[in-house]
Amino acid sequence: GAGVSQSPSNKVTEKGKDVELRCDPISGHTALYWYRQSLGQGLEFLIYFQGNSAPDKSGLPSDRFSAERTGGSVSTLTIQRTQQEDSAVYLCASTQLGPDTEAFFGQGTRLTVV
Amino acid sequence: GIQVEQSPPDLILQEGANSTLRCNFSDSVNNLQWFHQNPWGQLINLFYIPSGTKQNGRLSATTVATERYSLLYISSSQTTDSGVYFCAVALYALNFGKGTSLLVTP
Repeated sequence: GAGVSQSPSNKVTEKGKDVELRCDPISGHTALYWYRQSLGQGLEFLIYFQGNSAPDKSGLPSDRFSAERTGGSVSTLTIQRTQQEDSAVYLCASTQLGPDTEAFFGQGTRLTVV
Repeated sequence: GIQVEQSPPDLILQEGANSTLRCNFSDSVNNLQWFHQNPWGQLINLFYIPSGTKQNGRLSATTVATERYSLLYISSSQTTDSGVYFCAVALYALNFGKGTSLLVTP
């Protein structure tokens, strides 16, 4: 697509439920990142996919968080047993070749855990 | 990981004023980007500038990679410039600073 697309835009869920957030990167981009932004804060790195290499999961805050990227394109971030502290905006970015190239961000998914 | 420090943290300007935002980083990097996060939360790419100087209208940026800093200049500020300006650097994943929150008043 023309830009990075994320869905849903907003998600309200009950504490303890699982949620899935989707990211559709720019067509042809080989690298994909997930970040989290809590209210009034900067962006916190979560996970990085580059081509067919094993993802860098070093930023995932707990084992309740996981992500996959199917066919080198669309990515899904899954949060199991959501907690109130998971409430944040989850942002996805893609780059053409990797960290040396310009990153473009989607509009984000605002997750609210009640 | 790479440390990114932005200054000032907050800035209030009157419309028409000029300003300089600074980004210091702790290690050599392959990528440096400036973003503007608008009031709706969208991150807008301003500059991809691992080194050198670029200009785009009223905005310009300079990165001195050997001294590990970058500057973002905003001239003749407008109310639509309000928002948070982020610097992000990468060797691997993009590391973000905490941002400069800019308010331009009429």
